[in-house]
Amino acid sequence: GAVVSQHPSWVICKSGTSVKIECRSLDFQATTMFWYRQFPKQSLMLMATSNEGSKATYEQGVEKDKFLINHASLTLSTLTVTSAHPEDSSFYICSARQFTGTGYTFGSGTRLTVV
Amino acid sequence: AQSVTQLGSHVSVSEGALVLLRCNYSSSVPPYLFWYVQYPNQGLQLLLKYTSAATLVKGINGFEAEFKKSETSFHLTKPSAHMRDAAEYFCAVSDRRETSGSRLTFGEGTQLTVNP
Repeated sequence: GAVVSQHPSWVICKSGTSVKIECRSLDFQATTMFWYRQFPKQSLMLMATSNEGSKATYEQGVEKDKFLINHASLTLSTLTVTSAHPEDSSFYICSARQFTGTGYTFGSGTRLTVV
Repeated sequence: AQSVTQLGSHVSVSEGALVLLRCNYSSSVPPYLFWYVQYPNQGLQLLLKYTSAATLVKGINGFEAEFKKSETSFHLTKPSAHMRDAAEYFCAVSDRRETSGSRLTFGEGTQLTVNP
């Protein structure tokens, strides 16, 4: 079945530094990648949607300059949290979708802790 | 606009008992409906999905859900709970556009606890 590999699974960084999270579709072409943020005991909040080769579309209230999304190929999308602060600490999850079909494949998530 | 409401943020059952997790949806177009399970510090795993074929959908791990248009519901059930079923469950809806940009809208989640 479709697999999305997300790395790292957890990361601790110092306040003010940047962190990059990668999601790779291993056996299919991910035309669209969704990036979510999840706070403890809460649901997934969609941050942005990216299509291969295009700029990402950000949800209202999500800072574009802080959460940089790149989707340069059909198998790789990255989320960079720039100048991270403790309030950016969260669980980040990607989800990929193929051009056709109804499937959404989720990565295993990244636990980001900013100290 | 689409939305999903999961009734009950916490459900507790005994091992071997029936599991019933409730989900109601709102959609202006015929929806696709999904149930996902999430274990701590992990991504989401698809349990089952409704895409307009049979209204009773069977999924993995013994779960099933029935699409009831008249009730706008898509409740998740399992006849007999196992300890390993303890997790967070999310109901989600997407519109029926076949384009890849069609997004999922999630419910708030239901934490299932299984007591020995």
